[in-house]
Amino acid sequence: GAVVSQHPSRVICKSGTSVKIECRSLDFQATTMFWYRQFPKQSLMLMATSNEGSKATYEQGVEKDKFLINHASLTLSTLTVTSAHPEDSSFYICSASGTSRNEQFFGPGTRLTVL
Amino acid sequence: GDSVTQMEGPVTLSEEAFLTINCTYTATGYPSLFWYVQYPGEGLQLLLKATKADDKGSNKGFEATYRKETTSFHLEKGSVQVSDSAVYFCALRGAGNNRKLIWGLGTSLAVNP
Repeated sequence: GAVVSQHPSRVICKSGTSVKIECRSLDFQATTMFWYRQFPKQSLMLMATSNEGSKATYEQGVEKDKFLINHASLTLSTLTVTSAHPEDSSFYICSASGTSRNEQFFGPGTRLTVL
Repeated sequence: GDSVTQMEGPVTLSEEAFLTINCTYTATGYPSLFWYVQYPGEGLQLLLKATKADDKGSNKGFEATYRKETTSFHLEKGSVQVSDSAVYFCALRGAGNNRKLIWGLGTSLAVNP
């Protein structure tokens, strides 16, 4: 299957700082990338969908100014959590799909802890 | 809108027991159906899928059949192993061009030796 990587795998930051998470498709061109948030013992919550070269589409209730998404190339999307607060602590997962790879392939996730 | 309902866990089984995790859905048209697995400390992996009615997806001894008449996609395995301990998610993707997945809440499975 296709490989999607995320970096970093874990990050701890202080309240008020910003954190950037990278999602890369390593062996295919990802025309669409998805960002999810996963709470303990709960399902995935889709935060936003990004298509390469265009603005991300955010799900209802997700603050676009707080969770900045950039999908500038066919292999890289970034999620920046701005002015992070403890309630932003969570597991963030990206997935990618492409024209030749219609299904979604998931990254391993990033554990964010905001102190 | 489209939705997925998955049986609540946790499910605890002994090794070699039979596993069923129920999943039902509501959707317009003919969605594609998926089972994903998340092993401890790892990311989500596609376990199996089915794209049309009566299709059977299978992988690693797991099976699920797309039942249009009962709007179900139950996951089964005849003999579970300790290594099957994970969280299992049922999901659907609608019939349109939108690649968005609709997720069930996940079912945690623990298999004891």
